[in-house]
Amino acid sequence: AQSVTQLDSQVPVFEEAPVELRCNYSSSVSVYLFWYVQYPNQGLQLLLKYLSGSTLVESINGFEAEFNKSQTSFHLRKPSVHISDTAEYFCAVSASSGGSNYKLTFGKGTLLTVNP
Amino acid sequence: GAVVSQHPSRVICKSGTSVKIECRSLDFQATTMFWYRQFPKQSLMLMATSNEGSKATYEQGVEKDKFLINHASLTLSTLTVTSAHPEDSSFYICSARAPLFGYTFGSGTRLTVV
Repeated sequence: AQSVTQLDSQVPVFEEAPVELRCNYSSSVSVYLFWYVQYPNQGLQLLLKYLSGSTLVESINGFEAEFNKSQTSFHLRKPSVHISDTAEYFCAVSASSGGSNYKLTFGKGTLLTVNP
Repeated sequence: GAVVSQHPSRVICKSGTSVKIECRSLDFQATTMFWYRQFPKQSLMLMATSNEGSKATYEQGVEKDKFLINHASLTLSTLTVTSAHPEDSSFYICSARAPLFGYTFGSGTRLTVV
């Protein structure tokens, strides 16, 4: 079984400031890692994912996350945030090899609020 | 590609009635679909996993007779909330998995039982 811990439930920042949303996971098997973003009353949109290969993954809107196996972390970062980045961010993990139908386990979410 | 359409987006029903929520994969075949429930300001709670043509696997604590899941084809899964009560009011989200596309989520259904 897997578990995900998002250490911060809320992160307020000012526009154009850098931000890091923390995510740690635990698993007895190899995993895939994901970050999803959710805007109010909407479903989840995939922000980025780590499946294999380079441990640094990037999204098209400036976010990046680095898979650190030794620290079992997958922190999300952005060097300069915009008002429009205000949303709930979920870190998720799944087993990489067929167990439990590859179901996703989510963290509790981090509400990122970008203030002007 | 990899779009999941979920309907309705919002539904209000009377206590005791049943509500059906549909989740369709529009441009791919979804081998597995997942149904989640999300309470306000909380994370997603997996309710059940369904594979096309077989019975759904429910998570512990989820009443299978209340939350009926049907995955009759590779592009359609439905969740029926039977005899709905106010405590069933929630945001329900489906997700589909296809080998090449990973996980894709529907836009969610806000259910309000009055």
